[in-house]
Amino acid sequence: ILNVEQSPQSLHVQEGDSTNFTCSFPSSNFYALHWYRWETAKSPEALFVMTLNGDEKKKGRISATLNTKEGYSYLYIKGSQPEDSATYLCAPLYNFNKFYFGSGTKLNVKP
Amino acid sequence: GAGVSQSPSNKVTEKGKDVELRCDPISGHTALYWYRQSLGQGLEFLIYFQGNSAPDKSGLPSDRFSAERTGGSVSTLTIQRTQQEDSAVYLCASNPVTGSYEQYFGPGTRLTVT
Repeated sequence: ILNVEQSPQSLHVQEGDSTNFTCSFPSSNFYALHWYRWETAKSPEALFVMTLNGDEKKKGRISATLNTKEGYSYLYIKGSQPEDSATYLCAPLYNFNKFYFGSGTKLNVKP
Repeated sequence: GAGVSQSPSNKVTEKGKDVELRCDPISGHTALYWYRQSLGQGLEFLIYFQGNSAPDKSGLPSDRFSAERTGGSVSTLTIQRTQQEDSAVYLCASNPVTGSYEQYFGPGTRLTVT
């Protein structure tokens, strides 16, 4: 079983604050890193798919970076809004098409 | 187009009963996964189907759990002699095994064992 760690476990911020959280994982033999956003009462949805070229991904106010050598990824949210409240999951991909999910960071943005 | 669907959305059962959970993946997606999330926990991998290959059952927590996928499409997860610790949200996901390998999740089945 691979150990995928996400921190912090939960985060409470005020609307307008910028925030970031971390995903760390074994760096050997992984070939992609996915971030998913999971809102309460909905299904997880893919945010970013990051590959070994380590490029930064950006979608609106949300961006992510990937360190392929040391095995970590940061997710940044600039100017948090209440609609950003969700659990953010990371999942590195090792074996062909098999994902290992972290336990997630639960973000609560207060208006 | 249609996404991944799961049924039932909620299931309450008595301890010791068997339950079946159903997943309809996106048409054409050859890979199908089952996960569960217990209260306060992350997503736990259960089983993975890929085309006609033997499924990866390495995540099934006990022999009370089994799953099948008929015709490379619909999948059923069966839990026999349910226990209270089986209470969780069971999620199904599929992907096309090409491109980004992005997973498309269903809405989940919330199972409560009383």
